Amino acid sequence: DIQMTQSPSFLSASVGDRITITCRASQDIRSYIAWYQQKPGKPPRLLIYAASTLESGVPSRFSGSGSGTDFALTITGLQPEDFATYFCQKYNSAPPLTFGGGTKVEIK
Amino acid sequence: QLVEFGGGMVQPGGSLRLSCTASGFTFNTNAVTWVRQAPGMGLEWVSALTARDGSTYYADSVKGRFTISRDSSKTTVYLQMNSLRADDTAVYYCATCRGRYYDLPLDSWGQGTLVTVSS
Repeated sequence: DIQMTQSPSFLSASVGDRITITCRASQDIRSYIAWYQQKPGKPPRLLIYAASTLESGVPSRFSGSGSGTDFALTITGLQPEDFATYFCQKYNSAPPLTFGGGTKVEIK
Repeated sequence: QLVEFGGGMVQPGGSLRLSCTASGFTFNTNAVTWVRQAPGMGLEWVSALTARDGSTYYADSVKGRFTISRDSSKTTVYLQMNSLRADDTAVYYCATCRGRYYDLPLDSWGQGTLVTVSS
């Protein structure tokens, strides 16, 4: 199975900061990665798919990059509503469609 | 909109059936996936069913114990869970994929239903 290693697990930041979360796949997954945001008590929300395509309605301060095995989610100009937990997921064929371990973004 | 039903408390070795109902649409054009989240933990992909031909897929952790299926009207997807264990305790979410196949991003999620396996 392909493993998705996400880092850091926790990130402390301030409003207005630029932050980057990374995800590394144990094998080449081309651009088949999605990023989700989850707030406490809520289901995840799709932010980005195909490594860098913004889902409809997602603010442009979110961006994704990478291909192959190394990927990143960047938030430029962190807003109060962005404090949440973020997960990556590989979705190329062959289950399981593994998620990364998550990154909790907290207010500094 | 997706709504899950059927969660609750069950003893180890017991069974439970979860339902995921689509409101305002059918599962005719979108594959459906179940994802679970143990308390305070991350997300785990559990099972999926394609829209096209109803093919099913499972995580190794549930293979042989869980069965995903849908009704003939394609408005409800089920997750039959047998031989439940304590480590199956989680919030179970159903989510639709961005198309007919299971290996696509999950673009719409239900609110989740809690399954607790405990004696």
